[in-house]
Amino acid sequence: DVKVTQSSRYLVKRTGEKVFLECVQDMDHENMFWYRQDPGLGLRLIYFSYDVKMKEKGDIPEGYSVSREKKERFSLILESASTNQTSMYLCASREDRADTEAFFGQGTRLTVV
Amino acid sequence: AQKITQTQPGMFVQEKEAVTLDCTYDTSDPSYGLFWYKQPSSGEMIFLIYQGSYDQQNATEGRYSLNFQKARKSANLVISASQLGDSAMYFCAMREAYTNAGKSTFGDGTTLTVKP
Repeated sequence: DVKVTQSSRYLVKRTGEKVFLECVQDMDHENMFWYRQDPGLGLRLIYFSYDVKMKEKGDIPEGYSVSREKKERFSLILESASTNQTSMYLCASREDRADTEAFFGQGTRLTVV
Repeated sequence: AQKITQTQPGMFVQEKEAVTLDCTYDTSDPSYGLFWYKQPSSGEMIFLIYQGSYDQQNATEGRYSLNFQKARKSANLVISASQLGDSAMYFCAMREAYTNAGKSTFGDGTTLTVKP
């Protein structure tokens, strides 16, 4: 069974903390993504990576950075967490083909207080 | 302009009836793919069905079918014989082969509630 695993289901952090969200996939997929999901706004792409050490900004990269040192792992970093980054974060991976679906992790609900 | 538009924030359907969830899209790319995902209250996104822009026939997967009208740029999801477990949020997504660097764009979602 294919798997995308996010390190935490729920996370509470303080304003100003550095936050790491980890995502691991076991499907040898080239492409990995971080999305943010907020009510009424759908899924918005933060960053994606199409290969190891390669990354591209999505639609809302401000306040975030990413790291992909190994093919299976894609980390989202909040350099200095702020309350407006309270959200649901979804990681996904996909083969590098136009007709294939993305596989998602279970999501991390982050609350910044 | 939004690339994916889902005009129905919420929908209700009676158990065992069929329901159509609307999705319209906007692209000038000649090659693209359309996807539908289901997100139950547990939060995980589940892939349902795919339609390629060059596919001649509408895609079907069990109780799910995609009503693809290319000229109208619509890709509506039809769920037949609704079940209580179909209650969830549904997202339409598009992946363009050439523009947008192959990234997927998602709509805002439709929340479907199946009534017993």
